[in-house]
Amino acid sequence: GAVVSQHPSRVICKSGTSVKIECRSLDFQATTMFWYRQFPKQSLMLMATSNEGSKATYEQGVEKDKFLINHASLTLSTLTVTSAHPEDSSFYICSARDWAEYSGNTIYFGEGSWLTVV
Amino acid sequence: KNEVEQSPQNLTAQEGEFITINCSYSVGISALHWLQQHPGGGIVSLFMLSSGKKKHGRLIATINIQEKHSSLHITASHPRDSAVYICAVGSGGSRLTFGEGTQLTVNP
Repeated sequence: GAVVSQHPSRVICKSGTSVKIECRSLDFQATTMFWYRQFPKQSLMLMATSNEGSKATYEQGVEKDKFLINHASLTLSTLTVTSAHPEDSSFYICSARDWAEYSGNTIYFGEGSWLTVV
Repeated sequence: KNEVEQSPQNLTAQEGEFITINCSYSVGISALHWLQQHPGGGIVSLFMLSSGKKKHGRLIATINIQEKHSSLHITASHPRDSAVYICAVGSGGSRLTFGEGTQLTVNP
């Protein structure tokens, strides 16, 4: 089963509203999670690094006031898209790394969230 | 020039064929990852390599650190292997730089 769970998998929201996407590590603690965005037929683009208990680190060009990231616990990071616009419609996916030796330091990805802003 | 380049961008094969996808990178790395992304979007990590070769079922991944090149091979390909295969490199920590992916279609 999935070890990183992302919710919701699909969401449609109206322009101007906010939508929250959750990313949970189920079997391990993740002090760091990563949020990516992917447009159709394009590569994953890192948006921000989510750090448990501290502020997220945003990539250049990503508006931190628009894409709010909260990493309040070792197993949960949330991405909130505020004042959503149609151009925010995209596939958002998170990842986390299980640093435990027995897991082989594997990187796990969430199932992704398709956001459509209408 | 992208830091991670994959070839080919698109690949169509007949069931049973041997498939190779290539990845070249231009930065120093601590590990290289091969990922599989299905049409629904979900991503599965196939391999993480820092040297040599790894095998899992019909999948084989190799890396040549000196040449900064990695290959993903699929033996006896099957339609269910149809997906986008993504090469990603990490230079420390969990931050990855991704290639643009290779769309593989295996026809029955």
